[in-house]
Amino acid sequence: KAGVTQTPRYLIKTRGQQVTLSCSPISGHRSVSWYQQTPGQGLQFLFEYFSETQRNKGNFPGRFSGRQFSNSRSEMNVSTLELGDSALYLCASSPLGGTNEKLFFGSGTQLSVL
Amino acid sequence: GENVGLHLPTLSVQEGDNSIINCAYSNSASDYFIWYKQESGKGPQFIIDIRSNMDKRQGQRVTVLLNKTVKHLSLQIAATQPGDSAVYFCAENYSGNTPLVFGKGTRLSVIA
Repeated sequence: KAGVTQTPRYLIKTRGQQVTLSCSPISGHRSVSWYQQTPGQGLQFLFEYFSETQRNKGNFPGRFSGRQFSNSRSEMNVSTLELGDSALYLCASSPLGGTNEKLFFGSGTQLSVL
Repeated sequence: GENVGLHLPTLSVQEGDNSIINCAYSNSASDYFIWYKQESGKGPQFIIDIRSNMDKRQGQRVTVLLNKTVKHLSLQIAATQPGDSAVYFCAENYSGNTPLVFGKGTRLSVIA
């Protein structure tokens, strides 16, 4: 089985722009979670989608949004980029996304905001 | 991914020695715990997990110990190899369909 695929691998944007990141989960996995990783804050949960519905949301401003398609692929969008949004954005999938289920991570999208 | 772990605690071990990485978790109601390994430029990779009804679980060269009394989790790596050099994260999960919560991580550096 192919693993979790994230595109693009690297992105450079300027303040005020918006960005869309893409994630294809492992085949058969219906839950997709997004995490932001920075050196200072570690891995911070953004949101989780299951069957095209947002099921959980972390403590991030409304500039961060996401969606999931019927084939379980997911996108996340960040609008009005700020310097502090520079981070590694990780997508993870799991079969059902329930409690006590491990996540399988992609390699991430490294976003740099200048 | 290249800048992940710049400010993390670091454990340095000689190749062939055993490594012990510790983690204090936050929620006494957590009932599922996972250890992840993250190499430079990659996403976290699952190593081993343990449920709260156990206090020890063994995998290939790795053992996880859980002490619920003091909310402590440890990962033991036997005969540490250069390929074990990475950042290690513990993660906890408590019931109610809540997301995995990750610790800050520990960098393991293996000295050849």
